[in-house]
Amino acid sequence: ELKVEQNPLFLSMQEGKNYTIYCNYSTTSDRLYWYRQDPGKSLESLFVLLSNGAVKQEGRLMASLDTKARLSTLHITAAVHDLSATYFCAVDSGAGSYQLTFGKGTKLSVIP
Amino acid sequence: DTGVSQDPRHKITKRGQNVTFRCDPISEHNRLYWYRQTLGQGPEFLTYFQNEAQLEKSRLLSDRFSAERPKGSFSTLEIQRTEQGDSAMYLCASKDTGPRQYFGPGTRLTVT
Repeated sequence: ELKVEQNPLFLSMQEGKNYTIYCNYSTTSDRLYWYRQDPGKSLESLFVLLSNGAVKQEGRLMASLDTKARLSTLHITAAVHDLSATYFCAVDSGAGSYQLTFGKGTKLSVIP
Repeated sequence: DTGVSQDPRHKITKRGQNVTFRCDPISEHNRLYWYRQTLGQGPEFLTYFQNEAQLEKSRLLSDRFSAERPKGSFSTLEIQRTEQGDSAMYLCASKDTGPRQYFGPGTRLTVT
């Protein structure tokens, strides 16, 4: 059974600080996804990482993938309040279905 | 708006009643997925379609759940004899030939 573990599950950080969210998974899949969810809303796709060593950046967020370690990181640089949300990583099975297995999410609160 | 749409957005029903949800995917996306998300958890895969064919179902999808995608366009998810444990957000996602899934706004089901 594919498992995806995120840590931390809760993160409170001050504006301007840096932090990293970790995502470990149990399969050999090379496809890793990061989504953002605001309270009561659906999921917004942030990054799709498709190979070992992949790094993608958008604004203050940068995601990377190490398939050998089965680890992805989401790095937050100089956090701002607008980044407050829940962040999910997800892995697909690597087979043709692309069905996603999600972690439990990291609830990020950025405090002024 | 050409995103994934879901209807209704909210549904309150009494235990034992049947409910049906609809999902309209992004036009020409051949794959459609259903997920369920309970409070504080990541979404869990339920089932998916390629065009009109239902190709995979999770063990979470009990006999009370049925999904269809006639003509390979919109999809419906029906829950018969609802139970309180069915209360959740039901999310639909679609994708084309690329790996990224695009999620709809979800249908929040409350079973009283």
